[in-house]
Amino acid sequence: QSVLTQPPSASGTPGQGVTISCSGSSSNIGSDYVYWYQQVPGTAPKLLMYATNQRPSGVPDRFSGSKSGTSASLAISGLRSEDEADYYCAAWDVSRGGSWVFGGGTKLTVL
Amino acid sequence: VQLVESGGGLVKPGGSLRLSCTASGFTFRTYRMSWVRQAPGKGLEWVASMSGDSSFINYADSVKGRFTISRDNAKNSLYLQMNSLRVEDTAMYYCGRFDLGQGTMVTVSS
Repeated sequence: QSVLTQPPSASGTPGQGVTISCSGSSSNIGSDYVYWYQQVPGTAPKLLMYATNQRPSGVPDRFSGSKSGTSASLAISGLRSEDEADYYCAAWDVSRGGSWVFGGGTKLTVL
Repeated sequence: VQLVESGGGLVKPGGSLRLSCTASGFTFRTYRMSWVRQAPGKGLEWVASMSGDSSFINYADSVKGRFTISRDNAKNSLYLQMNSLRVEDTAMYYCGRFDLGQGTMVTVSS
């Protein structure tokens, strides 16, 4: 059971927008940045968002991140077929000495 | 930023492996670095972290007492010594600050 809670699946049609949620607690999302990863099956996770809402170079601005209290969201606008992947959220948890905690992943299907 | 993991392989239960991670593109010594793993078909799992000055170290309960994280700031390198390996340690192992490398596969099997 993951410390951060994500919906197991999400879907949308090309051109649509979709939002993936990530729920945590005061010791992780509530006290530090949120990170998002995109993983196409068979490949390594790719950093999609860091420091809650910062895109690494090369990540299109169709992707945006936000946080409110102990929950975070990844929004994807103008869905494209290549967005079909697993998405994971992560945060540093200050409890129990400090550790990374992850969501269980959301499989995004582009219909 | 580039993170390159190495050292994975096939090992029998009870065996040992030492993973290495070479970093470039950022000031390595100023960053907390971590190891994260992903078992086949599963999600991401944190393994261990170490601060830039090595003053902070923490391990997941599942590896505590068996794995040791270390770093050499002069070589921009992070290490993971894995002893008493178990079948359930089979996974792709990634290193990073919050970004991750391409990973190195560890398979524990008799």
